[in-house]
Amino acid sequence: AQKVTQAQTEISVVEKEDVTLDCVYETRDTTYYLFWYKQPPSGELVFLIRRNSFDEQNEISGRYSWNFQKSTSSFNFTITASQVVDSAVYFCALSVLRRQLTFGSGTQLTVLP
Amino acid sequence: DAGVTQSPTHLIKTRGQQVTLRCSPKSGHDTVSWYQQALGQGPQFIFQYYEEEERQRGNFPDRFSGHQFPNYSSELNVNALLLGDSALYLCASSLAPLNTEAFFGQGTRLTVV
Repeated sequence: AQKVTQAQTEISVVEKEDVTLDCVYETRDTTYYLFWYKQPPSGELVFLIRRNSFDEQNEISGRYSWNFQKSTSSFNFTITASQVVDSAVYFCALSVLRRQLTFGSGTQLTVLP
Repeated sequence: DAGVTQSPTHLIKTRGQQVTLRCSPKSGHDTVSWYQQALGQGPQFIFQYYEEEERQRGNFPDRFSGHQFPNYSSELNVNALLLGDSALYLCASSLAPLNTEAFFGQGTRLTVV
């Protein structure tokens, strides 16, 4: 069985601060995919990134960066110079090949002006 | 390129009634998955449809059923509604066989009174 843990329920930062959202996963499969989604108040899950288990290279996309470490089963997400528009619930998810997504419980990020 | 579309966006039903939710997948996708997201929680997998058949199912009772049409669109039916069925219902589409990309619709907010 798969499991995703997002230990941080809520995080509050002041605009322009950097913030890291933690994600720890569990699976016995060697081939899997990790995802991050953003859920604004409107409710839609916005796809941010997908990584496969064979690619541990960190990725940067603008102010967003992701750190994938198989040794610690973690896939952390950092927002640099946070903005008010980054306020949302962020979900980490795991998918074993051909099977459904298993989500964490989410982290509510609030960026204060 | 049309993304995943769901209808209706909001729905209020009475306990014991039946409801049907609809989803059109992203262009080029052939697999549809349904998720239930209770308030303050991560999405939970209900079932997945591919080639008009249910391929995977999560831990949901038989009151939850679905259908996929030849054009890949899908319906989620819930019978004998309970108050606890109140949630955001999300549809995700992907491309078989790997299903490694999952894009979500804006969801249907179901309230059972």
